Amino acid sequence: GQNIDQPTEMTATEGAIVQINCTYQTSGFNGLFWYQQHAGEAPTFLSYNVLDGLEEKGRFSSFLSRSKGYSYLLLKELQMKDSASYLCASLDSNYQLIWGAGTKLIIKP
Amino acid sequence: IAGITQAPTSQILAAGRRMTLRCTQDMRHNAMYWYRQDLGLGLRLIHYSNTAGTTGKGEVPDGYSVSRANTDDFPLTLASAVPSQTSVYFCASSKAGGEDTQYFGPGTRLTVL
Repeated sequence: GQNIDQPTEMTATEGAIVQINCTYQTSGFNGLFWYQQHAGEAPTFLSYNVLDGLEEKGRFSSFLSRSKGYSYLLLKELQMKDSASYLCASLDSNYQLIWGAGTKLIIKP
Repeated sequence: IAGITQAPTSQILAAGRRMTLRCTQDMRHNAMYWYRQDLGLGLRLIHYSNTAGTTGKGEVPDGYSVSRANTDDFPLTLASAVPSQTSVYFCASSKAGGEDTQYFGPGTRLTVL
């Protein structure tokens, strides 16, 4: 079956760094997406990785290891506005997104 | 209109009633999608359309139907609503499907009693 695993909830301190992990098992693989979703709002795109390695985009970076079925999202210099859920999604062989349940990130001052 | 709009924002519906959720995008995207989001579960694809005139079934299509008469609109119909269809429904679109980024509408919160 297809499965995406990510932690349910994480807590971090303002100004710190946090890493949100995601492991995936999907039928075929065409890339890994990360989305941010604030409570009561729509998901918004953060990153897309299809090749192994780290992609940096400002305070956010995303890493992919295809051989390990593993990705992480790294958030630096945390701000209170980063409090949100972070959704990991794998693009399967049919080019359909298989979504994890999301990681709720709580930022404390 | 900028991006994707959905209507209504929220709705309470009696079981057995018919309901159409509306979705419109003005980005001239070819691909559109309907997802449902339930607490503790990931987004699940209901139906999709890769281009106007074509539709396909996602992971959880039962009880739902869609049509894609033109590029901009992608309505989702519940023919006879049941309480298990209580959920938040998101419409999304992408330029050409595949690995293209999906952009989401604001969602419709539907409660079926």
